[in-house]
Amino acid sequence: GQNIDQPTEMTATEGAIVQINCTYQTSGFNGLFWYQQHAGEAPTFLSYNVLDGLEEKGRFSSFLSRSKGYSYLLLKELQMKDSASYLCAVRDGDYKLSFGAGTTVTVRA
Amino acid sequence: IAGITQAPTSQILAAGRRMTLRCTQDMRHNAMYWYRQDLGLGLRLIHYSNTAGTTGKGEVPDGYSVSRANTDDFPLTLASAVPSQTSVYFCASSAAENTEAFFGQGTRLTVV
Repeated sequence: GQNIDQPTEMTATEGAIVQINCTYQTSGFNGLFWYQQHAGEAPTFLSYNVLDGLEEKGRFSSFLSRSKGYSYLLLKELQMKDSASYLCAVRDGDYKLSFGAGTTVTVRA
Repeated sequence: IAGITQAPTSQILAAGRRMTLRCTQDMRHNAMYWYRQDLGLGLRLIHYSNTAGTTGKGEVPDGYSVSRANTDDFPLTLASAVPSQTSVYFCASSAAENTEAFFGQGTRLTVV
């Protein structure tokens, strides 16, 4: 089975940077995904990593180290609208897509 | 507009009743998934299908069944609902193993 861990909550100030860590243990690996979910809404895709390294997409970046079973999502220049839950997901060797419990980020003025 | 559609949006169901949650996508995606989301537990995989005609069990499959007769549809059936199945259910699909999953808007199910 999958074991995907991420912090429960994080708080940061508008304009700041926040890093959300995710560690995982899976049977095989076929990619790591980050999703954003606002309260009462469906998750929406943010980023995808399958090779080691950093993927940058505007204010959001995601990093992967397969040997360490570790990823992080970096949110820069935080805005109030970034207050949401951020979900780490891993696709395993059977192509099942499993999620961590999510990290609730609160952005304060 | 192409996408993934779930029905119903919400439902109140008496315990012991049978219920099928519908999920349809028109993107010709191979893989489809059913998740339940409960406060503090995140999204938990119930069942999945990598291609039409095949299904697999996820993390919490007990009490649920699925079928994948064609590419577009992936219904989830609760044979005899229990209160612990009260949750928000999300269906998702992805084109291939290296692409992101797209989510439906969810079904809020309350079993009383």
